[in-house]
Amino acid sequence: GAGVSQSPRYKVAKRGQDVALRCDPISGHVSLFWYQQALGQGPEFLTYFQNEAQLDKSGLPSDRFFAERPEGSVSTLKIQRTQQEDSAVYLCASSFQTSGVADTQYFGPGTRLTVL
Amino acid sequence: SQKIEQNSEALNIQEGKTATLTCNYTNYSPAYLQWYRQDPGRGPVFLLLIRENEKEKRKERLKVTFDTTLKQSLFHITASQPADSATYLCALDAPLLSGAGSYQLTFGKGTKLSVIP
Repeated sequence: GAGVSQSPRYKVAKRGQDVALRCDPISGHVSLFWYQQALGQGPEFLTYFQNEAQLDKSGLPSDRFFAERPEGSVSTLKIQRTQQEDSAVYLCASSFQTSGVADTQYFGPGTRLTVL
Repeated sequence: SQKIEQNSEALNIQEGKTATLTCNYTNYSPAYLQWYRQDPGRGPVFLLLIRENEKEKRKERLKVTFDTTLKQSLFHITASQPADSATYLCALDAPLLSGAGSYQLTFGKGTKLSVIP
């Protein structure tokens, strides 16, 4: 596809449920980022992949959050035992980024997660 | 830790006027500063990137300035149109803690611009 896609677009979960959010980056993009955006706030960094390697997960709020990108393309963000404070929009971004060069990040539309 | 402040949560201006949005940052010396536009229900869209050694960058009706002494960036939209109504986010590039040669973005909260016809 032409852009970054995310699915599902909306997810409602009961507190304690596990959820999995998918990101399809732009084909050929090396770097993939996950961000969390609370209502009225800017996106906050969660984790970063370069190909299949997770090089930074310093923004993950707890060990209930887990991300993977096993083949260096599609990525999944998993949240275990969801809590109400996990309610937010989860954004995925990709870039054709090579080492040492800052590059434009292309964002997907996000997945809005609501935990009841 | 890095802190980014965008001077107002909302800004209303008349169509045809110039909109000026402010981004201030502390505790950091970014190599780059970026501006994004975000419409409701959508992800941010990249607009402009300005490097620390650049004072000004232009793209069509958009102009960004970067003052590393004041630790401030100004974002201008000239001849504003109702279609420019959106939330505008500034973001700093920061080296990843892992030391990898790539950059995460630290975003401000954004300024919601409304251009009134």
